[in-house]
Amino acid sequence: DSGVTQTPKHLITATGQRVTLRCSPRSGDLSVYWYQQSLDQGLQFLIQYYNGEERAKGNILERFSAQQFPDLHSELNLSSLELGDSALYFCASSVEGSSDTQYFGPGTRLTVL
Amino acid sequence: DAKTTQPPSMDCAEGRAANLPCNHSTISGNEYVYWYRQIHSQGPQYIIHGLKNNETNEMASLIITEDRKSSTLILPHATLRDTAVYYCIVRVELPNSGYALNFGKGTSLLVTP
Repeated sequence: DSGVTQTPKHLITATGQRVTLRCSPRSGDLSVYWYQQSLDQGLQFLIQYYNGEERAKGNILERFSAQQFPDLHSELNLSSLELGDSALYFCASSVEGSSDTQYFGPGTRLTVL
Repeated sequence: DAKTTQPPSMDCAEGRAANLPCNHSTISGNEYVYWYRQIHSQGPQYIIHGLKNNETNEMASLIITEDRKSSTLILPHATLRDTAVYYCIVRVELPNSGYALNFGKGTSLLVTP
């Protein structure tokens, strides 16, 4: 158990809908990262937040957005969902977000029908 | 970004040492090598990381060549529960001091009885 929690575990929705994925980092960690794992693309970095502010962006679509709240939990919002958004979404956290180890949560499996 | 090359799959007998190679010939002097593993569709699990020197922890040993162009992860006594996909990663530094893990395809390790 890494100490990172993610909810929900599974999410099934329809195309065009909007969903929110939630992540709680390990106690004391200030940085949160989001990754997407699909069958054809592998694990891809989406975005990083540090202490409430966006720090780095990866291959995140404009239909996706994230935020980190004052209590340091983070949410990833996915809108106008398409079939291709079906994937595992992982959250990771680290103490500082600059040079330290990232610890991953169990993931949320999103299925878009 | 430094890329890594790993064999797509390997087998190992239970109780024997599993030696997983990784080539990272374009690595820069200050870039760390990280190893993670993913069991089925669970969240990636941190194993070990290193810069120049060999490293050992309770899970594994990491041997980095003197020129830093390759490394080997050693699981000293593989068990069936070590069956997983193992990722060798050179951590990517992004603008604004962000960091991301650039996962490749990894090595699928099968430990057999």
